Amino acid sequence: AQSVSQHNHHVILSEAASLELGCNYSYGGTVNLFWYVQYPGQHLQLLLKYFSGDPLVKGIKGFEAEFIKSKFSFNLRKPSVQWSDTAEYFCAGGPAGRRALTFGSGTRLQVQP
Amino acid sequence: DVKVTQSSRYLVKRTGEKVFLECVQDMDHENMFWYRQDPGLGLRLIYFSYDVKMKEKGDIPEGYSVSREKKERFSLILESASTNQTSMYLCASSLPQGVSNQPQHFGDGTRLSIL
Repeated sequence: AQSVSQHNHHVILSEAASLELGCNYSYGGTVNLFWYVQYPGQHLQLLLKYFSGDPLVKGIKGFEAEFIKSKFSFNLRKPSVQWSDTAEYFCAGGPAGRRALTFGSGTRLQVQP
Repeated sequence: DVKVTQSSRYLVKRTGEKVFLECVQDMDHENMFWYRQDPGLGLRLIYFSYDVKMKEKGDIPEGYSVSREKKERFSLILESASTNQTSMYLCASSLPQGVSNQPQHFGDGTRLSIL
């Protein structure tokens, strides 16, 4: 079945450490990919999105993601995390033109001060 | 800014009850979605709607139905609530693909407990 998978379920980092969260998808052809973040007690918010063009996508709050078609990956990165980045992160995607997205199972990031 | 409003933040119901969860969006979006969010499972799509009175099943539609009588409102119905439907329910809306490639905008969620 077509899917989006996140292999890191719980990540614990110290402030100023670098972050990389994995996301893989199984769709062929043109894909739309997103990263969303859910801070404690808040609704899901968009971090960044990829539809086409430059495979390195920059989002809000210093996050970026790289689309690597040959690896079916869309990993999220941040060079230096802050305590305020503590949240759950979801990768989502689907074939271009499809209305519904498939979400990964999420990665809970805990940043220790 | 897009506003997606879910009618209840917390809800407690009993098994066998018919439960209605309401969602309203204020941005004239064509697409609306209902998900449930469970620990370790992420978000799973229950139903979505791409126009008034139009609906499509998502990945886990069993035990649920939906209603979209007006463009701004999308209701999720648990026909006969069961304990395994205890979950966080999220509503989202978006413009259609190909118009502006806008992402989905989410409500705050309804935490539903079935006793």
